[in-house]
Amino acid sequence: SSELTQDPAVSVALGQTVRITCQGDSLRKFYAGWYQQKPGQAPVLVIYGKNNRPSGIPDRFSGSNSGNTASLTITGAQAEDEADYYCNSRDRSDNVWLFGGGTKLTVL
Amino acid sequence: QVQLVESGGGVVQPGRSLRLSCAASGFTFSYHFIHWVRQAPGKGLEWVSVISKDGVNKYYADSVKGRFTMSRDNSQNTVYLQMNSLRTEDTAVYYCARDQSSCSGGTCGWWFDPWGQGTLVTVSS
Repeated sequence: SSELTQDPAVSVALGQTVRITCQGDSLRKFYAGWYQQKPGQAPVLVIYGKNNRPSGIPDRFSGSNSGNTASLTITGAQAEDEADYYCNSRDRSDNVWLFGGGTKLTVL
Repeated sequence: QVQLVESGGGVVQPGRSLRLSCAASGFTFSYHFIHWVRQAPGKGLEWVSVISKDGVNKYYADSVKGRFTMSRDNSQNTVYLQMNSLRTEDTAVYYCARDQSSCSGGTCGWWFDPWGQGTLVTVSS
């Protein structure tokens, strides 16, 4: 099976824009889902499909896709956005699902 | 509201077995695939397995294939994960999650929403 690759850590100044990326061969065929996980809590879906937000997710979260890369953008990052972010997709050729290694976002 | 609640975690010795349950409410359970995902302490998320709506098709990560078995009871809105021959590296919080999918412009995507709160499995002698 293939893999999804994320930068381990990213930082952003309060109120600025940050992009978190996810690379993998499966993303040439399938959209990614993006999840936010805060310490001691279960993951929460923040972006799915082409660029969709579940109910209750602020509109500062957006997604995009190009080639083998999916991106999660937070426009105007807030202190409460500090968390781990994971991408996932179905594997391109197998009936398995993949997660990226996660990106720890620090809001300065 | 849509909810998943896991149970059955605990401390178990290597080589022993444990069965996890995931009880669903607030949606039509039989319409959805259900996944198990685990997270070892301080580590990232790892997909474990998925079961189809009717329980016929099940797929597993290589790390658990042959040792773990998923099943479901649609009359009880519950999914199970039978874990046999447990190893210390199976120590993790185990989450169940509902599968959802859609296609747009010829491209499809799958995502997990919602997730349960997780149940901790500790494999230790």
